[in-house]
Amino acid sequence: GNSVTQMEGPVTLSEEAFLTINCTYTATGYPSLFWYVQYPGEGLQLLLKATKADDKGSNKGFEATYRKETTSFHLEKGSVQVSDSAVYFCALLANNNDMRFGAGTRLTVKP
Amino acid sequence: GAGVSQTPSNKVTEKGKYVELRCDPISGHTALYWYRQSLGQGPEFLIYFQGTGAADDSGLPNDRFFAVRPEGSVSTLKIQRTERGDSAVYLCASSLGRGTDTQYFGPGTRLTVL
Repeated sequence: GNSVTQMEGPVTLSEEAFLTINCTYTATGYPSLFWYVQYPGEGLQLLLKATKADDKGSNKGFEATYRKETTSFHLEKGSVQVSDSAVYFCALLANNNDMRFGAGTRLTVKP
Repeated sequence: GAGVSQTPSNKVTEKGKYVELRCDPISGHTALYWYRQSLGQGPEFLIYFQGTGAADDSGLPNDRFFAVRPEGSVSTLKIQRTERGDSAVYLCASSLGRGTDTQYFGPGTRLTVL
């Protein structure tokens, strides 16, 4: 079945450090891929998405590229801020409308 | 504009009781989804509605769980004879339609079964 595996946390970085959170997927067909973010005390918010191979999603300085050859959708940011501290979820959505999420990666950015 | 809303935000109940959780999707969204998120995990799919009908209920863990969406808008997730293992955050999401449309999530209902 469809599934997502993402880097285990927690991840702790200093402000302005480079961030990578790895995400790989298993799916039949051609899923769409997403990164959702959950800030402390808030609900899940869409961060970015990509709907086909080689698409790059970007938002708020975060980027992720849909790599079909490596079945990956790694999240990157060049310079993190304290306000980026949150839990990040990689997810895929296939034609059956069943969104599959990774377990989440908690990021803490220290000043 | 208004997002997905869920009520109540918190629900504490005793083992064996019946609970109802409500979801108001974004106006105009025909697709509605329920997920369950246990502590330290990502959300797990429960059920998907397209309009009034449950198009996919394969994620419901057992027959104690049931959901309805009688008028194609508000949905209610119903849990009978609650068990301690049902404790989790129940998330609702909606999207414009089927396929790979972006899902927008509500804040969730935290259910605690004592």
